[in-house]
Amino acid sequence: NAGVMQNPRHLVRRRGQEARLRCSPMKGHSHVYWYRQLPEEGLKFMVYLQKENIIDESGMPKERFSAEFPKEGPSILRIQQVVRGDSAAYFCASSRGEQGASEQFFGPGTRLTVL
Amino acid sequence: GENVEQHPSTLSVQEGDSAVIKCTYSDSASNYFPWYKQELGKGPQLIIDIRSNVGEKKDQRIAVTLNKTAKHFSLHITETQPEDSAVYFCGKRGSNYKLTFGKGTLLTVNP
Repeated sequence: NAGVMQNPRHLVRRRGQEARLRCSPMKGHSHVYWYRQLPEEGLKFMVYLQKENIIDESGMPKERFSAEFPKEGPSILRIQQVVRGDSAAYFCASSRGEQGASEQFFGPGTRLTVL
Repeated sequence: GENVEQHPSTLSVQEGDSAVIKCTYSDSASNYFPWYKQELGKGPQLIIDIRSNVGEKKDQRIAVTLNKTAKHFSLHITETQPEDSAVYFCGKRGSNYKLTFGKGTLLTVNP
């Protein structure tokens, strides 16, 4: 049973470009969460999605950031017009239970570097 | 309400010694407390968790204790080994799904 998968593992973008981060949840999991980790900081919640629905995006910046979890395919975190401050590790987690009440399992992360 | 305070930020122990990491929180609604281990370049791995209806949980060399009255919980690692070296994060969750994490503890186990 494969764990949470994220790709790419490393992504380099120049300021103003777009970054697309992908996350495939564990088999049987239909709840996906995105977190951001800055150097020497803990993980900060960004957004919680179920299939075709955004449940909570309160931790995601209102501008330039968007997320989706389509009926088919992985969840996508999209950052438009990236700036240097977007450089961070972005982790996806998934869970099985209703309203995310069960354990969350994390992927290996995507490390975004903005030049 | 939202924050989790985690101490210490760094911890260095000799192989075979015990390590203890403590976290405190302030809201009464939190009822689930996971601990994650993150090795360099990898994602956080759930190592143990505890729910608010128990005070202690053990899994081999790892244990977690919870004091709901005082609003603090601790991770205990006994007989530490070099492979225990990593960053450890405590977390909490209330009535919803959102995990709030501490800032992490860098544990170094010296051989």
